[in-house]
Formats: sequence, C-alpha cells, structure tokens
Amino acid sequence: TQLLEQSPQFLSIQEGENLTVYCNSSSVFSSLQWYRQEPGEGPVLLVTVVTGGEVKKLKRLTFQFGDARKDSSLHITAAQPGDTGLYLCATKRAYNTDKLIFGTGTRLQVFP
Amino acid sequence: ETGVTQTPRHLVMGMTNKKSLKCEQHLGHNAMYWYKQSAKKPLELMFVYNFKEQTENNSVPSRFSPECPNSSHLFLHLHTLQPEDSALYLCASSQEGRWGEKLFFGSGTQLSVL
Repeated sequence: TQLLEQSPQFLSIQEGENLTVYCNSSSVFSSLQWYRQEPGEGPVLLVTVVTGGEVKKLKRLTFQFGDARKDSSLHITAAQPGDTGLYLCATKRAYNTDKLIFGTGTRLQVFP
Repeated sequence: ETGVTQTPRHLVMGMTNKKSLKCEQHLGHNAMYWYKQSAKKPLELMFVYNFKEQTENNSVPSRFSPECPNSSHLFLHLHTLQPEDSALYLCASSQEGRWGEKLFFGSGTQLSVL
C-alpha cells in the first residue's frame, strides 16, 4: 500500500510569514493533487501536478512536483488568516488506477 | 457552494440506533463516493458508485450499508455502530470516476456514536 507522508503535521504562524509543507512517498507518483479543507467543510481541489519538476502557481501558493515524482511541496508566501485549514495531498492507489489515496495532512493555523 | 449537499451536518446516535446519511449532487456527475475522516487517520475511501453501480467497497464493515438510487443521490445507512465509528463522513462526486477527475466534496456529516 502506498503511503503519503506529509510534514509538518501542525503549523502555527503569524500573518505575513512564509511556509512550506511537504508530501513524500517511497513510491513514484504518476501525478499528484493538493486539496485544502477549511474548518467545517469538505476538501477543495487546489491543483494537479503531472510532470516531474513541474511548478504551478496559484496566487500566493506555489506547488512543486519533485524531479523523481516521489515528493511534492506547497509554498505559501505572506500567509493570511484565510489560508488556515488542513492541506492534503492525494494520488492514485498503487494497485488501483482510478481511486485516490490521501496523505496524512498538514493542519495550518495563521494568526492575525 | 460546491454543488454537493450532505444532511444532516451533525448526528449523535446510540450504538443500537439506525440512521441514514444523505448526499445529493447537483453537478450532473456520474460517480459518487463515501469517505471517512477520523482525527488520527488519513481520509479513507469507503464506497464508490459509477452510474449507480457500486464499483468499490474498501473492506467496510457491514454495519455501513450504502445505497445509490440514481446518479444524483447517495445514502449511507448506519446500524449498530461502534464508538470508534465516530468521524466526519464526506460525500464526493466526479464526472466519470476516473483518476485526474476533480472530486467535489460536500461539507460532511459529523457523526458521534455514544
């Protein structure tokens, strides 16, 4: 079973700080998705990365897919309280080509 | 508004009760999913329905019984649950149930089993 390890597990920062969260696996990803889940809501897809070394930007969020496609990172510049939430990475299960497995998650709290 | 509506938002039930969770999607999608989110575990896939047919049962105990009467509605019938079943139950939908398709999640039902 492919496991997705995310780090850090928890992160509390002040508004305006920068941060990076990571998603790692011992297996190669075919592609990877990042979701954000705000308190009291379901996860919402932020981005899908497909190509090794790929970098995608979504306003203050920068997503990078590792060259070897075994890791990914999410960097947030000048964090805001609205960035607070649970960040989840997800990819295909190793033995099933259609269904997602989710990472352990990084819970981010941004204080004003 | 994600287009996926779950009711109720909160549910407290005893171990001998029978209750049902409801999910409705207004997006015209063909695939619907039940996920379980516990405090100490990653989001876990429970069931998948494609065009009303169950295509995935991820070794879920029989005290959880899904029902998909049409492509827009999904139910999760609960009976004789255990306290460890307390969790957030999330419904999701996608266009064709294929990898790479964007999953749209509902807000979830927070279930507490006493």
